[in-house]
Amino acid sequence: GNSVTQMEGPVTLSEEAFLTINCTYTATGYPSLFWYVQYPGEGLQLLLKATKADDKGSNKGFEATYRKETTSFHLEKGSVQVSDSAVYFCALTPRGATNKLIFGTGTLLAVQP
Amino acid sequence: NAGVTQTPKFRVLKTGQSMTLLCAQDMNHEYMYWYRQDPGMGLRLIHYSVGEGTTAKGEVPDGYNVSRLKKQNFLLGLESAAPSQTSVYFCASRGGTGTNTEAFFGQGTRLTVV
Repeated sequence: GNSVTQMEGPVTLSEEAFLTINCTYTATGYPSLFWYVQYPGEGLQLLLKATKADDKGSNKGFEATYRKETTSFHLEKGSVQVSDSAVYFCALTPRGATNKLIFGTGTLLAVQP
Repeated sequence: NAGVTQTPKFRVLKTGQSMTLLCAQDMNHEYMYWYRQDPGMGLRLIHYSVGEGTTAKGEVPDGYNVSRLKKQNFLLGLESAAPSQTSVYFCASRGGTGTNTEAFFGQGTRLTVV
């Protein structure tokens, strides 16, 4: 079946530290991959996406590269800010199945000043 | 530009009561979804719809019903609420035919069943 596995949190970092949140997936074919972010008290919003192998999605200083060989889509940011504190969700849509949007369990990031 | 609007935002129910959560989107999207969010479990799909008049079961459909009588609205019903349905409920919508399209989420409904 299709599934997403994320590293468990919470992840606590100091401001300006480097961030990595691991995400691996199981899917047939080439799924589309996403990172969504949920700020406190809000709904989810798209952070970035990638649709084929070796694609790099980027937004607001965050990046993730679609790695087919390792079935991974790790989220990275070179220098986090307090305002990046949120829950981050990795997600996928299998090829040809727009009706499906499958999420990982989410990773809470807390950035301290 | 409202996007996806959920009502109500908060609700407390007694066990056995019923209620309906309303989701409205103004983006003319075909796909709509209802998820529940529980600690440590991420988002789990309850039901979804691929167009007006259609609905389908997701991962955790038991105890819920849905209807999509109008393209812009997707209703989630609890006929007899149980404490296990205490959760935060999110509605989402998605347009286009490609699998890389963005899903837009409402702000959530926090439901407590006592």
